[in-house]
Amino acid sequence: EAGVAQSPRYKIIEKRQSVAFWCNPISGHATLYWYQQILGQGPKLLIQFQNNGVVDDSQLPKDRFSAERLKGVDSTLKIQPAKLEDSAVYLCASSDRGLQPQHFGDGTRLSIL
Amino acid sequence: AQSVSQHNHHVILSEAASLELGCNYSYGGTVNLFWYVQYPGQHLQLLLKYFSGDPLVKGIKGFEAEFIKSKFSFNLRKPSVQWSDTAEYFCAVNAEAGRRALTFGSGTRLQVQP
Repeated sequence: EAGVAQSPRYKIIEKRQSVAFWCNPISGHATLYWYQQILGQGPKLLIQFQNNGVVDDSQLPKDRFSAERLKGVDSTLKIQPAKLEDSAVYLCASSDRGLQPQHFGDGTRLSIL
Repeated sequence: AQSVSQHNHHVILSEAASLELGCNYSYGGTVNLFWYVQYPGQHLQLLLKYFSGDPLVKGIKGFEAEFIKSKFSFNLRKPSVQWSDTAEYFCAVNAEAGRRALTFGSGTRLQVQP
């Protein structure tokens, strides 16, 4: 089966600019997760969707981060405006109705100048 | 809230040496436990998982892990490492009937020298 697709792989922007990441989960997977992985740390959940509804966004910095999954398939994560501390790898994962295990994409490496 | 601790941040071994990576979690209820591996330049891949039953679970590439409930531990082991095992290893826990996101440890970077 095709894996979780993410784009772009790399992004470099200046602070205060905006950026968006895209994720296409494994076909049929209703649950989609966005994680942030800062260098030297493990991934940390930003937001979890079940179909197009939000299950958990308690750790999403809502003043600057937003995410949507309008049709219950693809998802976008946006940062506006970006701060230096947002430099990280942004991982998308999906699973079948929230059951484990989760399948991860290659991630988008974001560098803020 | 649940948390995961990985005690070894960087481990260097010679080929054929035995490996044990520590993982402890804090959560009072029923948990699912995982080890993920990230090879250089690749995405996170599932190494093995524990949901219930036999506390000794076997995964891919000769890895195994033992769940010790009384110690809140899920240590990863391999009797003889290979150079190709060089990677970063993450322990993760998932609670609430398994339908929630994973909480990861900070990872252990394993370097195997030929």
